[in-house]
Amino acid sequence: SQTIHQWPATLVQPVGSPLSLECTVEGTSNPNLYWYRQAAGRGLQLLFYSVGIGQISSEVPQNLSASRPQDRQFILSSKKLLLSDSGFYLCAWMGTGGIYEQYFGPGTRLTVT
Amino acid sequence: GDSVTQMEGPVTLSEEACLTINCTYTATGYPSLFWYVQYPGEGLQLLLKATKADDKGSNKGFEATYRKETTSFHLEKGSVQVSDSAVYFCALSNWAGGSYIPTFGRGTSLIVHP
Repeated sequence: SQTIHQWPATLVQPVGSPLSLECTVEGTSNPNLYWYRQAAGRGLQLLFYSVGIGQISSEVPQNLSASRPQDRQFILSSKKLLLSDSGFYLCAWMGTGGIYEQYFGPGTRLTVT
Repeated sequence: GDSVTQMEGPVTLSEEACLTINCTYTATGYPSLFWYVQYPGEGLQLLLKATKADDKGSNKGFEATYRKETTSFHLEKGSVQVSDSAVYFCALSNWAGGSYIPTFGRGTSLIVHP
């Protein structure tokens, strides 16, 4: 069965520091992968998605970047964190059985101080 | 672009009450429709799905019917439990620009009291 991992689970970082969040998927090949941010108001903001290795689409301009160095690995990065980058970051992959549902990881709680 | 609108929360109910969370969407073509549930501090979980008009998705006592004529996908449950307290997201997946793009509603918080 498929499994999605995210780490770290929680992170406290000072303003101006770099960021690297990692997401890996097991049990499927060439999945579409997604990064979301969820602020305190509960809504999901789609940040990036990838349909294959090295292919990244950005949904909103921001302080973050994403990379997909391997088929089942998706990384979210920043060179210098801002206070506004605080939030709950979720990685997801999309099912390939013709329904296009999403499966989410457990999330990373990021607090920028 | 596509959009999903769901009722504002929180929705507060007593145990065993009936639940309806309204969801309407705007999309071209024939999107797949979903309800996801999020418990505190966790990621979202797929609750139910429907892929074509008049399909009924169901899971754990929750149901929703894909109504293309009213572009709606309302979530219902006949008798809620305290353990159903969570945030519920209505969503769709639709083909755009060479890939399936998900669109989520803002979420509706459900609080069930004993």
